[in-house]
Amino acid sequence: ETGVTQSPTHLIKTRGQQVTLRCSSQSGHNTVSWYQQALGQGPQFIFQYYREEENGRGNFPPRFSGLQFPNYSSELNVNALELDDSALYLCALRGTGGYTFGSGTRLTVV
Amino acid sequence: QKEVEQNSGPLSVPEGAIASLNCTYSDRGSQSFFWYRQYSGKSPELIMFIYSNGDKEDGRFTAQLNKASQYVSLLIRDSQPSDSATYLCAVNTGNQFYFGTGTSLTVIP
Repeated sequence: ETGVTQSPTHLIKTRGQQVTLRCSSQSGHNTVSWYQQALGQGPQFIFQYYREEENGRGNFPPRFSGLQFPNYSSELNVNALELDDSALYLCALRGTGGYTFGSGTRLTVV
Repeated sequence: QKEVEQNSGPLSVPEGAIASLNCTYSDRGSQSFFWYRQYSGKSPELIMFIYSNGDKEDGRFTAQLNKASQYVSLLIRDSQPSDSATYLCAVNTGNQFYFGTGTSLTVIP
């Protein structure tokens, strides 16, 4: 139990559709980052939000977007889904001891 | 060149031995370095982090950082079968956070 909640845990979408993934915690963290982890690979950094503003972005196209809310919960939105978007999506909250990951959302695009 | 490189393994060690995991990074401006453990089907969990050159110990784990060589390692003493997992090295550079592909470790009873 990490204290970081992601929903949903599993999701199946059709190519071309849009998806929204959510991340929250019981205690407020002003920095949240999102990652994509394909099978057998390390997590790839998508972007980071600090106090509701994006302040870092990895090599992902604009159809990957996000939001952070005043209560520090966060969303990852992916438009125009492609088959290669199938992966485990992780959010991580930054604390004094580093980043703590949620349990992830497994997205399958068919 | 990848930002963070790790030997994918698999690495096998007998129970009670020392496991040594290595990681190199490309950006000399990187500021902080993390080791995560990931069991199959689970999310990564933080083992420890290090910011300064030298060694940092936490229980059976020791992280070693050499910024001149752009090298960070993790030693696991008295390895246990429960340590069998994939170990991910992560590097924080500015507002970017890069992971290696991970090293698979198996501890043989």
